[in-house]
Amino acid sequence: EAQVTQNPRYLITVTGKKLTVTCSQNMNHEYMSWYRQDPGLGLRQIYYSMNVEVTDKGDVPEGYKVSRKEKRNFPLILESPSPNQTSLYFCASRLAAGTNTEAFFGQGTRLTVV
Amino acid sequence: GENVEQHPSTLSVQEGDSAVIKCTYSDSASNYFPWYKQELGKRPQLIIDIRSNVGEKKDQRIAVTLNKTAKHFSLHITETQPEDSAVYFCAASLSNQINTGTASKLTFGTGTRLQVTL
Repeated sequence: EAQVTQNPRYLITVTGKKLTVTCSQNMNHEYMSWYRQDPGLGLRQIYYSMNVEVTDKGDVPEGYKVSRKEKRNFPLILESPSPNQTSLYFCASRLAAGTNTEAFFGQGTRLTVV
Repeated sequence: GENVEQHPSTLSVQEGDSAVIKCTYSDSASNYFPWYKQELGKRPQLIIDIRSNVGEKKDQRIAVTLNKTAKHFSLHITETQPEDSAVYFCAASLSNQINTGTASKLTFGTGTRLQVTL
């Protein structure tokens, strides 16, 4: 089954404790991205990757890092989480950059930073 | 960059009535406009999309219209049912800039919470 898988689904952490949210897709998609969803603000892009070893900032990249060492995986790293990063996070993948194709989303990760 | 505005933020309709959600975009070069539905606690999923060379597209009870001149597009749901209750997001994208930093970026609206009452 074609899918995007995120882990964990729920996470409560303390300010400053490094964490990683994993994302994996099995569709051989080149383009992957991370979004955060906040009430009244919709889905905002944090980082994206056009292919292996090619990543770039989205609209709200501050406080986040990503890596793309393999095509299928695109982890989101919060090196020193702060309460304003409490949000619902979604990973998404699309076939390739420059194509008008469907974005497939992961199940979401609800992160709370206390 | 692209900016997408979506209205209304909440919409309540009676079962069987129609619902219309409207979006405007700022970048006249955008050429792909998908709509996503997000049920409570679930991930967003594509329900319909339209490309800039088409003015209208229909899929059963769902239709999308695009006015390129005015830079707005709308989602129309007819004969609404309780299972249509969800948050709907519009988005805009530009796909003709391969290998640039803006390639394939989907810019989303802020969402519309649709409630279909019995």
